[in-house]
Amino acid sequence: DADVTQTPRNRITKTGKRIMLECSQTKGHDRMYWYRQDPGLGLRLIYYSFDVKDINKGEISDGYSVSRQAQAKFSLSLESAIPNQTALYFCATSGEGANYGYTFGSGTRLTVV
Amino acid sequence: TQLLEQSPQFLSIQEGENLTVYCNSSSVFSSLQWYRQEPGEGPVLLVTVVTGGEVKKLKRLTFQFGDARKDSSLHITAAQPGDTGLYLCAGATGSNYQLIWGAGTKLIIKP
Repeated sequence: DADVTQTPRNRITKTGKRIMLECSQTKGHDRMYWYRQDPGLGLRLIYYSFDVKDINKGEISDGYSVSRQAQAKFSLSLESAIPNQTALYFCATSGEGANYGYTFGSGTRLTVV
Repeated sequence: TQLLEQSPQFLSIQEGENLTVYCNSSSVFSSLQWYRQEPGEGPVLLVTVVTGGEVKKLKRLTFQFGDARKDSSLHITAAQPGDTGLYLCAGATGSNYQLIWGAGTKLIIKP
């Protein structure tokens, strides 16, 4: 099994629909992150969580919400999807400290029509 | 706003050639990480450099952290088609070691 599992891998949804992207990790890390990736813009942080009771907004949190259900689970919701939220979404986890790299999931390709 | 600028944005070369990718900032980082991403997959960590001036080698890949810990480079010797991918650098900053990401270098190695 993958260290970080994201579901679904692909999703097409209509404008105005609510959608949830799920993420689970088996690394045992407290820190989890949600990013979106657009061509030429790199990775942009949506939300991050340093433990189950800690949720923080990233640089582009408007239109998104998250839930940290357990140490291993961190879900991202789009309350009312719009076309400019069409992107590749990645979940990641890391240990604490400058030496720890991030382990990413395989991503969810979301298309809002 | 902290920025991490990667150059070049795109590079297409023949198999066997050498190349260098740069990652530059005006900010000081606690560490600098390099990732490689293949189409349809998430980024995968290649290396973390922590000490100013540090050099790490991973087979044909050589990573260097600048003396002032503001910049880094990735050098690939005798590039192979399997090196094709998007290379991302990320700097750890702040008390929580949050990562600041470069926009990436798309590398294509032609057989």
